[in-house]
Amino acid sequence: SQQGEEDPQALSIQEGENATMNCSYKTSINNLQWYRQNSGRGLVHLILIRSNEREKHSGRLRVTLDTSKKSSSLLITASRAADTASYFCATAPSGRRALTFGSGTRLQVQP
Amino acid sequence: DVKVTQSSRYLVKRTGEKVFLECVQDMDHENMFWYRQDPGLGLRLIYFSYDVKMKEKGDIPEGYSVSREKKERFSLILESASTNQTSMYLCATEQRGVLSGNSNQPQHFGDGTRLSIL
Repeated sequence: SQQGEEDPQALSIQEGENATMNCSYKTSINNLQWYRQNSGRGLVHLILIRSNEREKHSGRLRVTLDTSKKSSSLLITASRAADTASYFCATAPSGRRALTFGSGTRLQVQP
Repeated sequence: DVKVTQSSRYLVKRTGEKVFLECVQDMDHENMFWYRQDPGLGLRLIYFSYDVKMKEKGDIPEGYSVSREKKERFSLILESASTNQTSMYLCATEQRGVLSGNSNQPQHFGDGTRLSIL
């Protein structure tokens, strides 16, 4: 069953703009992770935020987590054409050994 | 850097065949996973293994089995391939965290095998 659901499903922006993707989930979690997938390739881990953290930064990425609303957001600032990819959130539900992935947001950054 | 190698990028097989997908990792990670990825459905977990010879069913194990005889290798087996198993298959590894009962480390993925069953 899918735990995380991303919103929007697709997003098209101009280079230099910010991109925001949201993820909602259903059960309590230990952590939430964001991954990136370029077309035809495997997923690459971007950032992990634990359930007791509210915000985390990594370069141009900013992730927030609101456990009371069971939601997270990924912000990419000053986007570049190379950021074009699909982005997935993955949750680590409490007591489950494996991650549960959402269906992803396809981001297109126009040069 | 962790390297996760899947034996084939593209594979074409016929219905009824027994199909083996291989995954090898070089970082001594305890946990290994097999997912399938289909448009609009995201990644769905087929099986995972948290130690040699240990395996657990994921969310969609029907029609699949796995083998983990050595720590670095995790094989996915389609016992009798069917057309609805046409998909992208992704292998991932994860270092076991402090809390062994939970997933709390980043996963590292191979580039996937695009499997077509005719």
